[in-house]
Amino acid sequence: AQSVTQLDSQVPVFEEAPVELRCNYSSSVSVYLFWYVQYPNQGLQLLLKYLSGSTLVKGINGFEAEFNKSQTSFHLRKPSVHISDTAEYFCAVSDQGTYKYIFGTGTRLKVLA
Amino acid sequence: EAGVAQSPRYKIIEKRQSVAFWCNPISGHATLYWYQQILGQGPKLLIQFQNNGVVDDSQLPKDRFSAERLKGVDSTLKIQPAKLEDSAVYLCASSLLSGGSTDTQYFGPGTRLTVL
Repeated sequence: AQSVTQLDSQVPVFEEAPVELRCNYSSSVSVYLFWYVQYPNQGLQLLLKYLSGSTLVKGINGFEAEFNKSQTSFHLRKPSVHISDTAEYFCAVSDQGTYKYIFGTGTRLKVLA
Repeated sequence: EAGVAQSPRYKIIEKRQSVAFWCNPISGHATLYWYQQILGQGPKLLIQFQNNGVVDDSQLPKDRFSAERLKGVDSTLKIQPAKLEDSAVYLCASSLLSGGSTDTQYFGPGTRLTVL
């Protein structure tokens, strides 16, 4: 069965500093990977997704993620964060051939002035 | 392009009462999903429709939850009777195609349910 682990429940970081949000998954088959962001009182918005091809995926708002098959990881990074990046970030996995997204428990990113 | 619409945004009820949530997906999207997001957890799929047929409802507590998607467009999710543990945000999402793994899901703002 698939699972997604987001080890960091909260990540505080100062404005303009870099950040990495960690995501590890387990699956016995090939997977698709997603990062979603949820701003307060809003629904989830897709940041980026890995389907195939280049392991470095670029998304919206300056975020990028790297798929590492040997480490079964899909960590999200941004070189310089802004106050407006304060939100909850969810990693999700879906195996090829199904439609189900399995979400992690989320990481709350708090950007400090 | 209008996004996924949901109403109400907030609802407070007492246990054993019933409640209904409404979702209007993005125009032309064939697949519609209902998720339950309990505080501190990621969203969990409750039911998936493709057009007006159910694809997967394996995690829907069918003794108290029901959902329908009339005419393959709008959908309603009902809880009757509600329990305290049903307190959560209920998210609706839609996707354009057949709901396969590569199909991007677009989420609505959610309905926050509090059961007292």
